[in-house]
Amino acid sequence: TQLLEQSPQFLSIQEGENLTVYCNSSSVFSSLQWYRQEPGEGPVLLVTVVTGGEVKKLKRLTFQFGDARKDSSLHITAAQPGDTGLYLCASSSNRNQFYFGTGTSLTVIP
Amino acid sequence: NAGVTQTPKFRILKIGQSMTLQCAQDMNHNYMYWYRQDPGMGLKLIYYSVGAGITDKGEVPNGYNVSRSTTEDFPLRLELAAPSQTSVYFCASSYLHPRSGVGEAFFGQGTRLTVV
Repeated sequence: TQLLEQSPQFLSIQEGENLTVYCNSSSVFSSLQWYRQEPGEGPVLLVTVVTGGEVKKLKRLTFQFGDARKDSSLHITAAQPGDTGLYLCASSSNRNQFYFGTGTSLTVIP
Repeated sequence: NAGVTQTPKFRILKIGQSMTLQCAQDMNHNYMYWYRQDPGMGLKLIYYSVGAGITDKGEVPNGYNVSRSTTEDFPLRLELAAPSQTSVYFCASSYLHPRSGVGEAFFGQGTRLTVV
């Protein structure tokens, strides 16, 4: 098991605000993934980061992999109600097992 | 493509009953997984499979069994259901990206199980 801690656990913000959620571990990862899960659905992959220091952008979402490959962050600019959901980071093992963090539940209020 | 299909979507079991949660994928993925998700929590890996005929325990396998007789199907069996098994169960499948070696997990819509 590769322990992934996410913060904050819950976040409620107004539409248009910016936010950052974090995924931290004491372990070094070859890659990290971010998934979003909407109520009543399974998680859906947003991005995979594989290189220390890597930054990836997906429209208003910016993902960063820490230089030491132990942590990652997700920054959302000008949040919209459609961004509401549970954000999960995940690591994968050498046997392609996925281990998920505890999640950040985001609510964007119109 | 339907992706990953789970049945049933909802089920209520009495303590001590047994049931099988069905999972099928049509993407020809070698890797398949069962997770459980408790309220406000992430997903815990129950069992996984790297191919037909091969299964391994994950983080929380006690009280569950799996089989993988074909690439497409990966049923999860609950024997002697207990209240602690009340949860939402997700099945997933994955491939390995040929260049990065990192897979992407595709999930079903989940089965909400209540044991009373």
